[in-house]
Amino acid sequence: AQRVTQPEKLLSVFKGAPVELKCNYSYSGSPELFWYVQYSRQRLQLLLRHISRESIKGFTADLNKGETSFHLKKPFAQEEDSAMYYCAPGEGNLIFGKGTKLSVKP
Amino acid sequence: GAGVSQSPSNKVTEKGKDVELRCDPISGHTALYWYRQSLGQGLEFLIYFQGNSAPDKSGLPSDRFSAERTGGSVSTLTIQRTQQEDSAVYLCASSLRDPRDRGLLGSPLHFGNGTRLTVT
Repeated sequence: AQRVTQPEKLLSVFKGAPVELKCNYSYSGSPELFWYVQYSRQRLQLLLRHISRESIKGFTADLNKGETSFHLKKPFAQEEDSAMYYCAPGEGNLIFGKGTKLSVKP
Repeated sequence: GAGVSQSPSNKVTEKGKDVELRCDPISGHTALYWYRQSLGQGLEFLIYFQGNSAPDKSGLPSDRFSAERTGGSVSTLTIQRTQQEDSAVYLCASSLRDPRDRGLLGSPLHFGNGTRLTVT
């Protein structure tokens, strides 16, 4: 079964700086991975999934099988990106990563 | 409905009392999940249902916790003899397919707004 880990509990950057939220997975096959986001006083919602290779709100996440990583990246962080971010497997066990709180300072 | 609905949105109860939390998933979603979100603890998986059966109850923290789902739709999470450490936000989510099934496209979870439980 897939397992994901998010090594950073808190990440603080200044507006306009690049941001990378780390997620590592352990799985021997082809993983299915998602990033979810929870803005203040809003429900947890899907941000993006690796299979669609999309860019949402300027965020991208590339699956790196060599490094077993699925890091979430944005070249220029905005204050409205401040939120809690969770990496999650798309199948198998349903254990989310511990989450990373992103704080973007003005 | 348009999304996953949870009730009540807030519940304050005295230690030792039983509580029932309700989740109404998106129509047509066969899989339903319960998570607990505590400050500093992230998102803790409790249980999931496929239809009315619960293939994975591994996350329930004690036998005071139970859940059921009827008619393949509404689910209730019951906590008996509540303790202060049960205070948390309880989140429900639903998805189109069984997470045990692999597919070319993942089926993401759609979350409700949660029930904030406070045990005094």
